[in-house]
Amino acid sequence: GESVGLHLPTLSVQEGDNSIINCAYSNSASDYFIWYKQESGKGPQFIIDIRSNMDKRQGQRVTVLLNKTVKHLSLQIAATQPGDSAVYFCAEAKAAGNKLTFGGGTRVLVKP
Amino acid sequence: KAGVTQTPRYLIKTRGQQVTLSCSPISGHRSVSWYQQTPGQGLQFLFEYFSETQRNKGNFPGRFSGRQFSNSRSEMNVSTLELGDSALYLCASSLAAGGHGYTFGSGTRLTVV
Repeated sequence: GESVGLHLPTLSVQEGDNSIINCAYSNSASDYFIWYKQESGKGPQFIIDIRSNMDKRQGQRVTVLLNKTVKHLSLQIAATQPGDSAVYFCAEAKAAGNKLTFGGGTRVLVKP
Repeated sequence: KAGVTQTPRYLIKTRGQQVTLSCSPISGHRSVSWYQQTPGQGLQFLFEYFSETQRNKGNFPGRFSGRQFSNSRSEMNVSTLELGDSALYLCASSLAAGGHGYTFGSGTRLTVV
């Protein structure tokens, strides 16, 4: 499959453990933040989003935390499964436009 | 419901040639955006189209252009290809301009030799 990043930071997680992926964003004017998952040979897949007026949002097995004070975003995956192995990207956007600015990505490897 | 369809899936071109990539958005989606993904630069925004009009453009040279048709299908063109244009080109569609419910296609892998 296509390589999405030769030198991505990698998080190795034991199956069943929780994963935490971190992201520092750059634009304090961004009001919308999204996490994407990209598997080999596929495009990014939406996981969860959060608006800047929130600090936490939960989905199915995932939680996104937003700390605007330090411009930090995190994605928590509960009970990590082999199917969670992928590259994870955070992205930020402003309300006025549709442009997404992506972070560099983190590779998650789930060990059985 | 069909997803975002990008064609071709793989493409090999020679330096100096031009290339056209195609994107068919999800039915009903009127906004189409294009991104370039490389190992070195990551995912970078190219441009966004809504109702056949370019709404936003990233920091790419004029060799990169696009258009959108009345059925919302979009094409992007790269002229005078350079080795550095080798990348995965991703198209994403959403219902409305400024909407953030992007759905990405699987991309077109362009290799310039």
